[in-house]
Amino acid sequence: ILNVEQSPQSLHVQEGDSTNFTCSFPSSNFYALHWYRWETAKSPEALFVMTLNGDEKKKGRISATLNTKEGYSYLYIKGSQPEDSATYLCAFDNYGQNFVFGPGTRLSVLP
Amino acid sequence: NAGVTQTPKFQVLKTGQSMTLQCAQDMNHEYMSWYRQDPGMGLRLIHYSVGAGITDQGEVPNGYNVSRSTTEDFPLRLLSAAPSQTSVYFCASSYSASGGAQYFGAGTRLSVL
Repeated sequence: ILNVEQSPQSLHVQEGDSTNFTCSFPSSNFYALHWYRWETAKSPEALFVMTLNGDEKKKGRISATLNTKEGYSYLYIKGSQPEDSATYLCAFDNYGQNFVFGPGTRLSVLP
Repeated sequence: NAGVTQTPKFQVLKTGQSMTLQCAQDMNHEYMSWYRQDPGMGLRLIHYSVGAGITDQGEVPNGYNVSRSTTEDFPLRLLSAAPSQTSVYFCASSYSASGGAQYFGAGTRLSVL
């Protein structure tokens, strides 16, 4: 079973703070790394799919980087807002196999 | 555009009963999958399919059965429900088995008494 880890498990920040979390994954048999945003009582929604070492993706105030050689990805949120409160999941995409999700980082942004 | 539709949204079963969770997508996606979500465990893959007529086991397949007779539908069958199958179940689809973002259904909350 592939091991995908995320840290921290949960995080509380003040509105306006910038923050980041980590996803660690196996560096072998890598195809893609996915980030999802999961709001309470809703379904996970895709943020980014990253495939190349050194990839950087950005959507509004949220960005992500990828290091496939050392097996980690960072998700950054700049100027956190209460509506950013959610669980952020990463998923390791092992080509021809299946997705393995990490346990998630639960973010709470306090107004 | 409906996306991924799961039914029912809620279900209560007694131990030993069987049932089918329905999943349908209208995006012509080849890849479909079922996950269960338990507190502290994240999403765990039950079964997946890379196309009509092709299914395979994920991380936690025991007690579940799937089939994929059409591109659109991917039902999950609980053969003989057990309390350990109390969970929230999500169906997801993507255009390919790798590299494509997954689109999730709204989930089915199942309780087995």
